[in-house]
Amino acid sequence: KAGVTQTPRYLIKTRGQQVTLSCSPISGHRSVSWYQQTPGQGLQFLFEYFSETQRNKGNFPGRFSGRQFSNSRSEMNVSTLELGDSALYLCASSLVGVNTEAFFGQGTRLTVV
Amino acid sequence: GESVGLHLPTLSVQEGDNSIINCAYSNSASDYFIWYKQESGKGPQFIIDIRSNMDKRQGQRVTVLLNKTVKHLSLQIAATQPGDSAVYFCAENTAGGTSYGKLTFGQGTILTVHP
Repeated sequence: KAGVTQTPRYLIKTRGQQVTLSCSPISGHRSVSWYQQTPGQGLQFLFEYFSETQRNKGNFPGRFSGRQFSNSRSEMNVSTLELGDSALYLCASSLVGVNTEAFFGQGTRLTVV
Repeated sequence: GESVGLHLPTLSVQEGDNSIINCAYSNSASDYFIWYKQESGKGPQFIIDIRSNMDKRQGQRVTVLLNKTVKHLSLQIAATQPGDSAVYFCAENTAGGTSYGKLTFGQGTILTVHP
């Protein structure tokens, strides 16, 4: 069974640009969550999607957005990139149901220059 | 101002020893907890989970203990091996029944196993 797949693995962008990251969940998993990991702040929750609807959102500015498609694949977008957006962006998928384990992808390493 | 990185707790053990990694969680309403292992360049890997109606749960070489009175979680690794070297995170589901995948993570502990 394939794991959570995130593309691309690495990305370099210039300040002010926008970026789109992609996540394909484990087959059968319909909940997708996104996290940002930085040395300064650790792992922080961005948002969660289920049935193409955002269910929860973390404390991030509106420049961070996401969406989920009918096949459960998800994308997140960051507009007007700032240097501080450089981070590892992780996607996790889980089965629908309260308190089920979340499985993470390898992440996308975004560097903003 | 200049950002400062998190200063992660570290634990160094000899191969074959038992390891205990501790975590204090924040929300007394949290009802689900997970331990993750993260190796360099990889995403967090699920190790074991525990629900709030349990005090202890065992897996293969790992045991998680939950003390709800003091909001404390621990991960015990038996016969630690060099391959166990990684950063270990505890995570809690702080959204209760409204979320399937919203987790709040601890800062992490660096485990180093010496051969």
